[in-house]
Amino acid sequence: GESVGLHLPTLSVQEGDNSIINCAYSNSASDYFIWYKQESGKGPQFIIDIRSNMDKRQGQRVTVLLNKTVKHLSLQIAATQPGDSAVYFCAENKGGYQKVTFGTGTKLQVIP
Amino acid sequence: DAGITQSPRHKVTETGTPVTLRCHQTENHRYMYWYRQDPGHGLRLIHYSYGVKDTDKGEVSDGYSVSRSKTEDFLLTLESATSSQTSVYFCAISESGRTSSSSYNSPLHFGNGTRLTVT
Repeated sequence: GESVGLHLPTLSVQEGDNSIINCAYSNSASDYFIWYKQESGKGPQFIIDIRSNMDKRQGQRVTVLLNKTVKHLSLQIAATQPGDSAVYFCAENKGGYQKVTFGTGTKLQVIP
Repeated sequence: DAGITQSPRHKVTETGTPVTLRCHQTENHRYMYWYRQDPGHGLRLIHYSYGVKDTDKGEVSDGYSVSRSKTEDFLLTLESATSSQTSVYFCAISESGRTSSSSYNSPLHFGNGTRLTVT
């Protein structure tokens, strides 16, 4: 079936380094993608989104890259900080929020 | 935070008992959703609402019902709780329900969840 997946379940990064979290999607009809951050005991928090007519979008310390050719999405976090430690997951939308599919997440561990 | 309050935050109940979870929003968003989150599955949609008294099923709706009598409140009811319904439940809201023909996208904003344990 169609799914959104993540390549690495756990990513350890030294404080101050850049982090890259990857996500593969399989539905070419998806046209809107979202990254969420989830800290322990909290709900998912919106980080950044991107529409399929874009290849790149930047936020504060975060950049999302979309490669539609290989159906790949990545989240880059610049100068990773201890507060960035969390689970990150991507979501794809095929039209209508009843059709959002979420990945299972990548745990980012920041080493001080 | 997006002005979403879920209650209770934690609940332990016995198999066969009814349970109601509440989601309250202060954003006046039209769309509200209930998700469950389980290890290895990601978030899965239970039910959603696109307006007062307008609701529809998600992918894992069996054993659940919802009601929305006011814009700000969305209730999730487990009529007869089972152990398979032990999970963390998240309410979400969005400004736009967004169809494939719409150019307006708005992300989901989530509450902090209710951890439900059915013994």
